[in-house]
Amino acid sequence: EAAVTQSPRSKVAVTGGKVTLSCHQTNNHDYMYWYRQDTGHGLRLIHYSYVADSTEKGDIPDGYKASRPSQENFSLILELASLSQTAVYFCASSPGYSGNTLYFGEGSRLIVV
Amino acid sequence: GMPVEQNPPALSLYEGADSGLRCNFSTTMKSVQWFQQNHRGRLITLFYLAQGTKENGRLKSTFNSKERYSTLHIKDAQLEDSGTYFCAAEAGGGSGNKLIFGTGTLLSVKP
Repeated sequence: EAAVTQSPRSKVAVTGGKVTLSCHQTNNHDYMYWYRQDTGHGLRLIHYSYVADSTEKGDIPDGYKASRPSQENFSLILELASLSQTAVYFCASSPGYSGNTLYFGEGSRLIVV
Repeated sequence: GMPVEQNPPALSLYEGADSGLRCNFSTTMKSVQWFQQNHRGRLITLFYLAQGTKENGRLKSTFNSKERYSTLHIKDAQLEDSGTYFCAAEAGGGSGNKLIFGTGTLLSVKP
């Protein structure tokens, strides 16, 4: 069974503060993704990566940075957290370029106050 | 309109009933995946389809790229089927497995 773990699972951050969400996968997958989920919007792709030390912008990258220091780890960084970034964030991994099932982590609930 | 439209937004069934969910696409999609999000928020992959139909137990999904839709059929609904169901489609043109999600169908199964 694929394993993607996220931390923290829940966090309250202050506006303007820095937040780092971490993701670790033990699947030996090349691709990793960060999505955010808001009520009424489904999931939207923020950043993704297909190889260590490289990241790509997704559909809503503004206000977020990503880091892929190794194949197993992929972080999402909010340098200056804002109220609008309150959401649930999901990390996922997949084996290859296209046509592959996503394996999701359990989600990280972020509340910015 | 939205590239992936999912219907209905909410659905209530009694145990043992059958029903179907549908996603319509504004353009030709390469593949579709269906996910269930359970009451704890966990996303579980149900199906990946590049074409045709797949079945898994009481669930069956169809993807018709040409007609731009996908369906998920639930047979003999059980309480544990409750949750939010998402379809997500992969556009062509080298999108690199970037999925476009629908807004979900909230399914409630009642005893």
